[in-house]
Amino acid sequence: LAKTTQPISMDSYEGQEVNITCSHNNIATNDYITWYQQFPSQGPRFIIQGYKTKVTNEVASLFIPADRKSSTLSLPRVSLSDTAVYYCLVGANQAGTALIFGKGTTLSVSS
Amino acid sequence: SAVISQKPSRDICQRGTSLTIQCQVDSQVTMMFWYRQQPGQSLTLIATANQGSEATYESGFVIDKFPISRPNLTFSTLTVSNMSPEDSSIYLCSVRRGRPGTDTQYFGPGTRLTVL
Repeated sequence: LAKTTQPISMDSYEGQEVNITCSHNNIATNDYITWYQQFPSQGPRFIIQGYKTKVTNEVASLFIPADRKSSTLSLPRVSLSDTAVYYCLVGANQAGTALIFGKGTTLSVSS
Repeated sequence: SAVISQKPSRDICQRGTSLTIQCQVDSQVTMMFWYRQQPGQSLTLIATANQGSEATYESGFVIDKFPISRPNLTFSTLTVSNMSPEDSSIYLCSVRRGRPGTDTQYFGPGTRLTVL
């Protein structure tokens, strides 16, 4: 499984755009990139997933360069409720394979 | 999507005792996963539970300490045996569902265990 590296923590203010970059230099051809969000006392929640280029949903955007060795999660106009831990995961989408979590990025949003 | 419930949501236990955590999924799944999240840490995979066969444990986890049952395709239990304070963690049940590109892993709310 490809190892990921992301910042331990980030700080932001309400209304700002937050970009969290994840490095995954040894990503495999059949690996997808997935981001999860975890609030205190809750299980992780799926945010977004992509394979290449750009993916956007109602919550975030995911930018993946052509070499796929990194990815950037973009959260537009964050609010206090976006304060959470964000995990970048890389792996093949196989039903019998569990996701392996790295350390994650703790995002703190202030007013 | 998948709706996952866990029981109990939290418990405080004495050293040397055992606790069984239940996980119920709203529809059938082949594999169920159990994770542990120690205070301030990321999630660590304990084992994968396949219905009808023994669970597969990750390095550092053994069946005697964390026996798992998987009696049917919607239910699993994880027992934390002979507990010590180091077992104080959140234990999460998880399933994976979907197709490549939309595949998502869903998590239960977790069971917060405190061992005194």
